Amino acid sequence: SAVISQKPSRDICQRGTSLTIQCQVDSQVTMMFWYRQQPGQSLTLIATANQGSEATYESGFVIDKFPISRPNLTFSTLTVSNMSPEDSSIYLCSGLGQGRKAFFGQGTRLTVV
Amino acid sequence: GESVGLHLPTLSVQEGDNSIINCAYSNSASDYFIWYKQESGKGPQFIIDIRSNMDKRQGQRVTVLLNKTVKHLSLQIAATQPGDSAVYFCAELQGNEKLTFGTGTRLTIIP
Repeated sequence: SAVISQKPSRDICQRGTSLTIQCQVDSQVTMMFWYRQQPGQSLTLIATANQGSEATYESGFVIDKFPISRPNLTFSTLTVSNMSPEDSSIYLCSGLGQGRKAFFGQGTRLTVV
Repeated sequence: GESVGLHLPTLSVQEGDNSIINCAYSNSASDYFIWYKQESGKGPQFIIDIRSNMDKRQGQRVTVLLNKTVKHLSLQIAATQPGDSAVYFCAELQGNEKLTFGTGTRLTIIP
């Protein structure tokens, strides 16, 4: 299985600032995704990170708020911009590998104060 | 719209007993399903998967059953252990390769 590393693992940020989360996979994956998981809830897909092109966002998520980069097959970043307390959540990176199995990083726990 | 959901939000099971976690899905076109386990402070961990051309698949202490007639998925965990305590999610992989997650069930193993 693919090993997916995220950093930071957690952060406390001031409102109005931005945080960039990095995701590194140890092997090539066909697709990479970013999810949000609010406390006590399930995972919601934010966007598909496309290599070398703009990410594909789900309904309710926009590029200005969540810019995403994927410069190569094994690395992606998610930025949470102009943060508010409502952005406090766990952000998870996922990679789709062989056999369509999706693996996840350990998540980034973000608290906005 | 299409969705994947769970019947029971919480489940408590005596250590050593078997547990069954259920999931309903509504997208009849889905062809691949995955169960994940998520422990506190960690990301979801792949447990077992099943394709729509199968109705049962077994792993180590886990079995997934798929009933396409009623669009129902279940995860059976045999001889539960304290380490099985976690939140379990079913997920549906659509043709566009996007995972849709169910609500989640919190499984607590009672010593």
